[in-house]
This record gives sequence, C-alpha cells and structure tokens, in this order.
Amino acid sequence: SLVLTQSPSVSVAPEKTARISCGGTNIGSKSVHWYQQKPGQAPVLVINYNSDRPSGIPERFSGSNSGNTATLTISRVEAGDEADYYCQVWDGRGDHPVFGGGTKLTVL
Amino acid sequence: QVQLQESGPGLVKPSETLSLTCTVSGGSISNYYWSWIRQPPGKGLEWIGYMYYTGNTNHNSSLRGRVTISLDTSKNQFSLRLSSMTAADTAVYYCARHEGPHAFDIWGQGTVVTVSS
Repeated sequence: SLVLTQSPSVSVAPEKTARISCGGTNIGSKSVHWYQQKPGQAPVLVINYNSDRPSGIPERFSGSNSGNTATLTISRVEAGDEADYYCQVWDGRGDHPVFGGGTKLTVL
Repeated sequence: QVQLQESGPGLVKPSETLSLTCTVSGGSISNYYWSWIRQPPGKGLEWIGYMYYTGNTNHNSSLRGRVTISLDTSKNQFSLRLSSMTAADTAVYYCARHEGPHAFDIWGQGTVVTVSS
C-alpha cells in the first residue's frame, strides 16, 4: 500500500516562500490534493489535482507533482498560514484514499 | 452553500458501538460520495470509509469489518457505526464530501468522540 511521507515541520519567515513536500513511490502518476488544518478546525482543501486552487484560495498557494515528490508552495507567507498541511491521493484502483502524516508550518 | 454537520454521543464506553450521523444541508446527498475520516488527538487524518448515494460502499481494511456506513436520501443524512470501540478509537470524527476518487471538497466541523468507562 502506498505510503505518503511528509516532513513533520517546516519553519519560514514572513514574506518568504514555504515549500512542503510529500513523498511517495511514483506519486507523479497520481493526482495529489492538499489540505490546510488550523488548530481546532476541520481541514480545508487548498490545492486539488496537483496544482488547481479551489475558489477562495489565494494565488500564493500553488502545487506541483513529479516523479516521487509532490510539493505545496506558499509564497509571501503570512502569519495566518500557520497550520498543519496534509497531502492526499487515492491508492489502489482509486478505491481508498491515503493521507500523508502532515507537516506543521510555523511562521517565525 | 453545502454544509455538513456531524452529530452523536461524545462519550462511548469500551466495547460499545459508536453511532454518528452527518446531516447535509444546502444541497442534495445524491450524485456524491460521502466519507468518514477521523483524527486521534495530536495525530494525522485516517479515512474510515465511504458510501455513494447508490449504496456502493468501501471502508478501511485496517478497521477489520467494524465499520458500517449507511445513507438516508430522504433525510439527506449518512451515518457511521463503528463497533467494539476501544481507547484507540478516541478521535475527532469528520464527515466529508467527494466526487469519487477525488479531493474531499467539503468537510463537517468534526465531532469529538472519547472512549472511556
């Protein structure tokens, strides 16, 4: 079964660029979705299908996916971006979802 | 806009069965998949299972047949039953919508379930 690996934490200064990675065997062949979860709140979809932004998500959020790594990039990081971020794909023949372990983004 | 709201007991005794309901408002339960996802304290997200409005269902094999998911189109609700609860099942339980093997685009606010005698 596919395992998605995320670094536990990433720290970045305000106005800088944060890159959060999600590793998995041949993940580049799958569609990766990213969720933002702030403390005490439900996850919110911020990137779907590798790089598409749902309505209402700032352009500062972008995504890419190739080979064995997918990346969520947050440009011009703001204090309000501090949250846990999870990647997710569908495994098997698309019959069950898999989540990464999550990355805690800290804004310095 | 579509909103999801979980409801159910916040406290369950060990060995008992958890029953949760997710009410869908602002839209129809038809034509979508509906999943249950949980998050133990301080941990990541774990998918429990889904049901399609036609009745097609699937669940996480790690839960070894403890999961039953049902759907009531007349009430615009879907439900989760998780049997043989243990302390390891203590978590925030979320319901979420998706269109097949795609992103979970709408989530409920989550409901805290604690397993304790």
